[in-house]
Amino acid sequence: EDQVTQSPEALRLQEGESSSLNCSYTVSGLRGLFWYRQDPGKGPEFLFTLYSAGEEKEKERLKATLTKKESFLHITAPKPEDSATYLCAVQAPETSGSRLTFGEGTQLTVNP
Amino acid sequence: GAVVSQHPSWVICKSGTSVKIECRSLDFQATTMFWYRQFPKQSLMLMATSNEGSKATYEQGVEKDKFLINHASLTLSTLTVTSAHPEDSSFYICSARAGSSNQPQHFGDGTRLSIL
Repeated sequence: EDQVTQSPEALRLQEGESSSLNCSYTVSGLRGLFWYRQDPGKGPEFLFTLYSAGEEKEKERLKATLTKKESFLHITAPKPEDSATYLCAVQAPETSGSRLTFGEGTQLTVNP
Repeated sequence: GAVVSQHPSWVICKSGTSVKIECRSLDFQATTMFWYRQFPKQSLMLMATSNEGSKATYEQGVEKDKFLINHASLTLSTLTVTSAHPEDSSFYICSARAGSSNQPQHFGDGTRLSIL
């Protein structure tokens, strides 16, 4: 069974204080690992897809990296508007309907 | 690009009522659409997967007669919660995916359903 574990559950940062969020996964044949951002009362917003170990993607203050067992979302010099819940999801092989298995998320708060 | 619209965003109704939620992909054709349920402080739980013109595939434990899914076109899927009861109250979110199966899912903004 596919499993995704995100840590920490919650993270408080001061504006400008860089940090990383972790996503550990167990899946039989990774087709893709996805990062999303979710604001309260909204649906998840797509950030990145990573397909193979060693791959990196960047967008503004965010950088996602992937190894064979985990992914990190690095946040550089965060701003208050980066406050949100960040969700990680892995995609199962085609035979499993290519469904996404989500982690519980990391709730990030950036204080001004 | 990749905008998914979900309507209504919020609905309150009496127990026993059926409620229909629409999910539209506005600027792309969605070969596959997904319906999720999310409880407070929890992550998304997949309810069902639907492909245009085909019957939906429901996850284990999801009652297909309770949660009717129709995916009649490449831009529209609907979820009907039939004879809703208070325990069906939740945040329902749809997503849509274009093209090949390793493309990202794009999500709507969810529907807050409250059954009195």
